[in-house]
Amino acid sequence: GNSVTQMEGPVTLSEEAFLTINCTYTATGYPSLFWYVQYPGEGLQLLLKATKADDKGSNKGFEATYRKETTSFHLEKGSVQVSDSAVYFCALILNTGRRALTFGSGTRLQVQP
Amino acid sequence: NAGVTQTPKFQVLKTGQSMTLQCAQDMNHEYMSWYRQDPGMGLRLIHYSVGAGITDQGEVPNGYNVSRSTTEDFPLRLLSAAPSQTSVYFCAAGEGEKLFFGSGTQLSVL
Repeated sequence: GNSVTQMEGPVTLSEEAFLTINCTYTATGYPSLFWYVQYPGEGLQLLLKATKADDKGSNKGFEATYRKETTSFHLEKGSVQVSDSAVYFCALILNTGRRALTFGSGTRLQVQP
Repeated sequence: NAGVTQTPKFQVLKTGQSMTLQCAQDMNHEYMSWYRQDPGMGLRLIHYSVGAGITDQGEVPNGYNVSRSTTEDFPLRLLSAAPSQTSVYFCAAGEGEKLFFGSGTQLSVL
């Protein structure tokens, strides 16, 4: 089956530190990959996506590159802000068949001033 | 532009009680879905619908019923609540990169 594995949190960083949140996946087909962000008290919002190998998704200073050879989609940001504190979810969707998202367990990021 | 609206935001039930979580969207998406979010487990798909009159089971459907009589509405029913159903529930409309979530319902079953 399909699955997504994320590093456990919480991840605690100081403002302006470099962020990496690891994500690896297994899939029976050829997936599209996503990062979603959930701010306190809100639903999930799409942060970025990549639909094929070597694509780089980017948004709000966050980046992730679709690495088919390592089945990974690690999230990075060069300089985090307090406002980036949230829970981050890696997810995949197969491009054929039932188009339901498979989510990782989420990683909580806490950024301290 | 409301997007996806869920009600109620909070609910406390006793074991064995029934209730319906409401979900409405104003974006005319055919695809709607319900997820539950539990600590350390991410979001798991309960039920989904690809259009009015069509529903199917997701990863964790037991204990939940759904119906889809209109494009706009996709209610989730708990017929006999159990403590294992204590969770945060999210409704979503759309699919893939066009997936929009409601703000969630926090349900506690005592």
